[in-house]
Amino acid sequence: NAGVTQTPKFQVLKTGQSMTLQCAQDMNHNSMYWYRQDPGMGLRLIYYSASEGTTDKGEVPNGYNVSRLNKREFSLRLESAAPSQTSVYFCASTAQGGLARTQYFGPGTRLLVL
Amino acid sequence: AQTVTQSQPEMSVQEAETVTLSCTYDTSESDYYLFWYKQPPSRQMILVIRQEAYKQQNATENRFSVNFQKAAKSFSLKISDSQLGDAAMYFCAYRSINTGTASKLTFGTGTRLQVTL
Repeated sequence: NAGVTQTPKFQVLKTGQSMTLQCAQDMNHNSMYWYRQDPGMGLRLIYYSASEGTTDKGEVPNGYNVSRLNKREFSLRLESAAPSQTSVYFCASTAQGGLARTQYFGPGTRLLVL
Repeated sequence: AQTVTQSQPEMSVQEAETVTLSCTYDTSESDYYLFWYKQPPSRQMILVIRQEAYKQQNATENRFSVNFQKAAKSFSLKISDSQLGDAAMYFCAYRSINTGTASKLTFGTGTRLQVTL
């Protein structure tokens, strides 16, 4: 049981390049989330998927797109990377129902945009 | 919108001593959940403790306990018998109960805890 996995762990992009961050969970969770973490700002929600087939914007969605490929996988795409998107990206998932619907986090992807 | 404030960017505690990390939040809701997450240098986010706002009893998990003051909108974390492995960033987080099937979290900016010998 791997929990929440993310690939890649680290990536360097040039401004204008595109890339997709992958996230998968094996806990049969319904909801999945993408956050970014910047120094001094905590984690901010980019997009989330409450259930398979649905996606919604979070607090900072500009410059990103997401795809809920199936119940297990939730990808985050940067179409044209900008230096302001340099950050650490976390994927998380949570079951529907259950005590306080605790979010379980992946190990993070560190992205550097030059 | 809810906000979460952690006013202590850094804290330090000696091994075996007790430390309290502060968190305040702003909400107009009467029911919600609160969490403390730990982020060690590995960057993995680890749930430390959670509190349901409708419960008056403060949550406790081994050496970790909270002081939940609903009227004051305060949710502090107490770490007893601090250990070197407790050194990490600690994030306070809020979750509305009214998010339907989603469980969106609002995080504070974090407190970096150092543990010294």
